[in-house]
Amino acid sequence: QVQLQESGPGLVKPSETLSLTCAVSGYSISSGYYWGWIRQPPGKGLEWIGSIYHSGSTYYNPSLKSRVTISVDTSKNQFSLKLSSVTAADTAVYYCARISSGSSHFDYWGQGTLVTVSS
Amino acid sequence: QSALTQPASVSGSPGQSITISCTGTSSDVGGYNYVSWYQQHPGKAPKLMIYDVSNRPSGVSNRFSGSKSGNTASLTISGLQAEDEADYYCSSYTSSSILYVFGTGTKVTVL
Repeated sequence: QVQLQESGPGLVKPSETLSLTCAVSGYSISSGYYWGWIRQPPGKGLEWIGSIYHSGSTYYNPSLKSRVTISVDTSKNQFSLKLSSVTAADTAVYYCARISSGSSHFDYWGQGTLVTVSS
Repeated sequence: QSALTQPASVSGSPGQSITISCTGTSSDVGGYNYVSWYQQHPGKAPKLMIYDVSNRPSGVSNRFSGSKSGNTASLTISGLQAEDEADYYCSSYTSSSILYVFGTGTKVTVL
């Protein structure tokens, strides 16, 4: 059973960098699939942030591209998100997920972690 | 790239059938058979219910079905049950640089 678990600070100050990690169990990232980050502001809809392949190839939402970095550590079977220069608008529940590259759906999700941007 | 358009809310009585629409463009919903649907209960992560327009993952009830016509995809829930009360989001692959776009979300209420 594939499981994903997000971790990282729940509170980040404005202008600083948000950093989250997604630990994957039950499947080796090196075996394939894309892995991605999605966020959901309180009371709002879902937004795709970006995705990474095990080889390191990345794809980012153009609206966030200048501030986002996604990386993968196959030795630890995890991937990470960094979002720089955060503002209150970046307050959201952040989810990591596995993406079926053959048909572009998100088949396994982490439980999500709330990140609040506030001084 | 705008979000796909869904009705804000849909309701039905237990046992009834309801349909949620998801309208996009020829660059996303209409251009690819890569529409998926997600169920989200309050405080929980989204759960994949339908992929590739009409396929159900293992373990998902056959009361859930999906279809597509032109630029509009639909999710039908038949035999509505109390546990189906949740938010539902569609998603599609898109040829634009954004790659993946989600719908605006629909709150399903079981009366």
